[in-house]
Formats: sequence, structure tokens, C-alpha cells
Amino acid sequence: NAGVTQTPKFQVLKTGQSMTLQCAQDMNHEYMSWYRQDPGMGLRLIHYSVGAGITDQGEVPNGYNVSRSTTEDFPLRLLSAAPSQTSVYFCASSSQGGGPYEQYFGPGTRLTVT
Amino acid sequence: AQSVTQLDSHVSVSEGTPVLLRCNYSSSYSPSLFWYVQHPNKGLQLLLKYTSAATLVKGINGFEAEFKKSETSFHLTKPSAHMSDAAEYFCVVTSNSGYSTLTFGKGTMLLVSP
Repeated sequence: NAGVTQTPKFQVLKTGQSMTLQCAQDMNHEYMSWYRQDPGMGLRLIHYSVGAGITDQGEVPNGYNVSRSTTEDFPLRLLSAAPSQTSVYFCASSSQGGGPYEQYFGPGTRLTVT
Repeated sequence: AQSVTQLDSHVSVSEGTPVLLRCNYSSSYSPSLFWYVQHPNKGLQLLLKYTSAATLVKGINGFEAEFKKSETSFHLTKPSAHMSDAAEYFCVVTSNSGYSTLTFGKGTMLLVSP
């Protein structure tokens, strides 16, 4: 059982470039989310989705786009990378958002923007 | 609205001594609370969760936490630290109201010396 997978593991971008971080889960979870982790800041929610075709903004959505065309996949797009987006990105899924439902995290993508 | 405060950014203990990681929360609704652990360069793993059942919650690897509503606290404890416990620990709050998002504390780094 693969759980939550993320690709790539590492990425270096130049300022202004665009890219897509991939996230997939095989647990048939409705709820998926993207976080960024910065030193001393914990994890901050970027975007989330409560099901295919439904997305919403989290705490730090600027500079990122998402879409959810299938239950399994939830890609995160950086439209024009900036050094402030240097971070570790985690995708997570759960059967529902909120409440007592465990979030399952992917292994993370370490992104550096120069 | 909800928030989490982890009272210590770093905690240092000796192997075999007790561990206490402190967390205070606020939530407008009945909360669910979690502790997650992150080992270096890894994703996040659920240690334990409180979901309005028993106030003393037991988790994996000998950790436990007690929900104290009057003190709005959810401190994590372990009777005897092991070297493998060295990691970063995150306290997380969400509410049991609808599709509530998760709010992470900034993390506590646990250092274990021989």
C-alpha cells in the first residue's frame, strides 16, 4: 500500500520559473491538503480539497494554484517561483477534514528557489 | 478560530529520564487534538489523538497525553526517554465542526543525550 506519494523529492528552480508538485494517494480519501514547512513556523496550510472538483484556500495560498480532477491526485502549481517559496512541501490526505481523522502525510518535496 | 502554542521550541533530556512537551490550544468548537512526530528528513507520523472520549490518551512508543479542558492544555509525556525519541514534535488542533482545517503548533525539538 503506497499511501501518499509525492514527486519530486528535491527540486531547484530559478526565480520566475513555474512547476508542478505532484501528490497522489491510493486510500480513496476525500480530503487532501498541501502544507509548507519552514524552520520555526510549523506547518502552514496552503490549499485543501474536500473532494474532486472542490478546492479552497488555506492560510498561505498566494503564489500557488491547485485543482482536483480525480480523488487520487492533488497537484500544486507554482506559477512564478520566488525565493520566499523555498520550503519543504507536504501533501496529506484523510477520509474527512477536521474532526478525529488522522492525516496521512507524504514524504515531502524540498524546493529551493534561487 | 483555533490556535496552538507549543511552549518550548527545544527540550533536552537524558536517556532514561521523563519527557514533557507542553501544548496549549484554543478552539471555538469542541476540539480534536493530535501529536505528530517528525524524524529528521522524514514525513510526519501520528503519535496519538484526542477525540472527546477518554481524556488520557495513549499513543505509540510509550507516549501519552492528557486533555485538560480547564487548562486548555494537551501536554505530551513519556516516562523514560530513548535515543530514538530525538525528533521534532507537533501539537495540532482541529475542530469537530464540519470540514475544519488543521492548525499546527510551531514544533518542539526533543534532544536526547546518552
